[in-house]
Amino acid sequence: GEDVEQSLFLSVREGDSSVINCTYTDSSSTYLYWYKQEPGAGLQLLTYIFSNMDMKQDQRLTVLLNKKDKHLSLRIADTQTGDSAIYFCAEIPPHGSSNTGKLIFGQGTTLQVKP
Amino acid sequence: NAGVTQTPKFRILKIGQSMTLQCTQDMNHNYMYWYRQDPGMGLKLIYYSVGAGITDKGEVPNGYNVSRSTTEDFPLRLELAAPSQTSVYFCASSSGQSYNEQFFGPGTRLTVL
Repeated sequence: GEDVEQSLFLSVREGDSSVINCTYTDSSSTYLYWYKQEPGAGLQLLTYIFSNMDMKQDQRLTVLLNKKDKHLSLRIADTQTGDSAIYFCAEIPPHGSSNTGKLIFGQGTTLQVKP
Repeated sequence: NAGVTQTPKFRILKIGQSMTLQCTQDMNHNYMYWYRQDPGMGLKLIYYSVGAGITDKGEVPNGYNVSRSTTEDFPLRLELAAPSQTSVYFCASSSGQSYNEQFFGPGTRLTVL
């Protein structure tokens, strides 16, 4: 199928690490993405990873890509209350192409950060 | 740059009414998209456009229509509103270049009663 799967909810304490997981469908996806949605707002690109990479680090964010298992994860180090949001992973759909820019989004993981 | 703007922010419709959700971008992006977001369901693509005069259906196009007469504007039309169209609607645009980041508007919350 064409479903991108995520768990719906994660709760952590401030200062802990958060790990949000995603399984995607198309091992030939060129890019995989993490978008963040703050309450009452639209989505904003948080980070992305090119498919020939296993890992990408950007300050407190670490993205891990396991192409064999079609598994993508986002780790947020030293999670802050300001990180509370919904996080969506996304991929270019199977048989899709970069000339349409279409994406398939997961259901979103709500991250709750407790003080 | 204002980015992607959407109007209205909120709207309540009665069953059978029609309305147009407006979307404008000032980034000269060729690609534009309309999504709907239902709780726990992520975003579903309604329609998209790869340039002025070109539109195509996404995953959930039934009950909606679009047009793209200019690069900047991509309105979404609901002809006969139904309760199943109660949702939050997001418009997005992208350049289609490099990693093709999509830029989202703030959304329109629509309730059909």
